[in-house]
Amino acid sequence: GDSVTQMEGPVTLSEEAFLTINCTYTATGYPSLFWYVQYPGEGLQLLLKATKADDKGSNKGFEATYRKETTSFHLEKGSVQVSDSAVYFCAHLIKAAGNKLTFGGGTRVLVKP
Amino acid sequence: KAGVTQTPRYLIKTRGQQVTLSCSPISGHRSVSWYQQTPGQGLQFLFEYFSETQRNKGNFPGRFSGRQFSNSRSEMNVSTLELGDSALYLCASSMNGEYQETQYFGPGTRLLVL
Repeated sequence: GDSVTQMEGPVTLSEEAFLTINCTYTATGYPSLFWYVQYPGEGLQLLLKATKADDKGSNKGFEATYRKETTSFHLEKGSVQVSDSAVYFCAHLIKAAGNKLTFGGGTRVLVKP
Repeated sequence: KAGVTQTPRYLIKTRGQQVTLSCSPISGHRSVSWYQQTPGQGLQFLFEYFSETQRNKGNFPGRFSGRQFSNSRSEMNVSTLELGDSALYLCASSMNGEYQETQYFGPGTRLLVL
């Protein structure tokens, strides 16, 4: 079935370290891909998205590239800050499935000063 | 432009009761979706409404229902509450619910069932 798999956390980093969160997907169709972030006690905020192969989404120093050949959408940031501590969710939308986001399990990131 | 709003933010109910949650989408958005977030099951899709019609439904029992009004505001109802219904309920809106559109989420309603 259609699914999204992301690396389990928690991921603990020092400030200014490089962050990578792996995300892979299975989809019957051609999905749009998203990264959402959730800060403590809040809802989900869109971080970035990509809607076709080789698209690169970017925002606030985060980047992810839609890789159709490896069915992946890994999230990266070159230099993290304490304020990046949050839970990150990879998700996809498949046209045939309607307007239903399928999420990965989430990756908790903790950045220490 | 105001974001997605949800009321109430917190609720405490007892088993067997019913509850109604409300969601106001971003102005101009006609699609409203609901998701349940729990530590064990993660984020799961409940249903989507568009133009007052349920267009898509997740794998939840019939105790979970919803509706949408002509102004696109939506409510979801859970009847005969169970302990396992304790969760964060998130509402999301998008313009037309098309697959390349971004869904914008509200802050959620945290429901605790005792």
